[in-house]
Order: sequence, then structure tokens, then C-alpha cells
Amino acid sequence: DQQVKQNSPSLSVQEGRISILNCDYTNSMFDYFLWYKKYPAEGPTFLISISSIKDKNEDGRFTVFLNKSAKHLSLHIVPSQPGDSAVYFCAASYTGTASKLTFGTGTRLQVTL
Amino acid sequence: EAGVVQSPRYKIIEKKQPVAFWCNPISGHNTLYWYRQNLGQGPELLIRYENEEAVDDSQLPKDRFSAERLKGVDSTLKIQPAELGDSAVYLCASSWTGGEKLFFGSGTQLSVL
Repeated sequence: DQQVKQNSPSLSVQEGRISILNCDYTNSMFDYFLWYKKYPAEGPTFLISISSIKDKNEDGRFTVFLNKSAKHLSLHIVPSQPGDSAVYFCAASYTGTASKLTFGTGTRLQVTL
Repeated sequence: EAGVVQSPRYKIIEKKQPVAFWCNPISGHNTLYWYRQNLGQGPELLIRYENEEAVDDSQLPKDRFSAERLKGVDSTLKIQPAELGDSAVYLCASSWTGGEKLFFGSGTQLSVL
């Protein structure tokens, strides 16, 4: 049972445009959500997080939106840069911390020139 | 600040052989995690340590997998005997207790032939 789903395995966006990565979850107990970025042959690195008490969190070019009623979150990258090309994982927790994360299957983002 | 260090980076073994992975977490991080990432999937938690105590090992296949974190710092994950289905990337991560994000190592890519 996949509790965190990333239905788009890949996404291609032109440099300078907006990238929107989506994530759906089924467990209504999830209260904390994170996005991780992974380059080949490296471990995932933390990008941004959001608590269920918020519906938006921004950090520079990255914004995460949370729609609790739809059990959906999205990551917006504006503007997209070639260095953003990586696999992005959505993760969720019901502990309010990162102590028990459930990850999605990832979306490969390709930012083209 | 040094990140999470894992070794080896790659390991190729024949089925039924034993294998061990080593992890050194970020200094000061009390919580240590072992995750397994199968091809095309997100990381899945195997075990979580708080200092030297395994506080969540519910997803660890205990018939063949074992882990230890002596002295609450370094950790070793062992598989004995390895099976073909164990081929995956094994990721170690660490955080402060109750931390809101994990810091991952680069992982060990295991191939069981």
C-alpha cells in the first residue's frame, strides 16, 4: 500500500520556467511533509518542509503548497535552473518530526536549456 | 562540518554470502537511521536508533538482517546470508533527537549475484 504517491515519474521543463512537482498521500494522520532532492550516486538532501498547520512554505526559489482536504502537496521551483535537474522525493511523517518518514517513488526533473 | 559517511560505496557479492555496511553519522546526532532504496522506489526505513538503542526495527527482516550501534556513534548493518532480492542502495541518515530533517550519506550500492 503506497501511502505517498508521486504519479509523475519524470518531468521536463525549460530553464527559467516554473517546475511543479506533485505528491498525493492517503494517510490522514500525516502531519509533516518534506521534499528531498537526489543527484546520481549521492544521498538525498533536504530541500524544504511544511507542517500540517500551514498551507504554504517558501525558501528562495522553492515553495511547497499543502492542500490537506485533497491530501495533496506540490513543490514549485521558480525559476527552474539546469542545476535543479535531479530526482525529487516527497516524504511524510505522522510524528511531527522526521523520525518515521514514508517516501514517495520520486519524480525525475530535467531542466533543459 | 563533515556529513554522514558510509562505506563501502559499492559492494558486489554472490548470494548466500555475508555483507556489512558501515556508517558514521554527523557529530552530535543522536538519532541514526538505516534505509533501503530499491531501484525506482523511495527509501524505506529499516531501523532507527536513539543513541545505542534500536527504537524502531519493525521493518528490519530479522531472519537475515542485523544492526548495531555500539557506543551510540558508528553503526553497522549486516546481511547474512544475502539473497538476490537484497540488491539495493542502503542509505544511512542521522538527525538530532526529534529533528525535523534527516541528513543522508551517499549510500552503499549492493549487488547480489
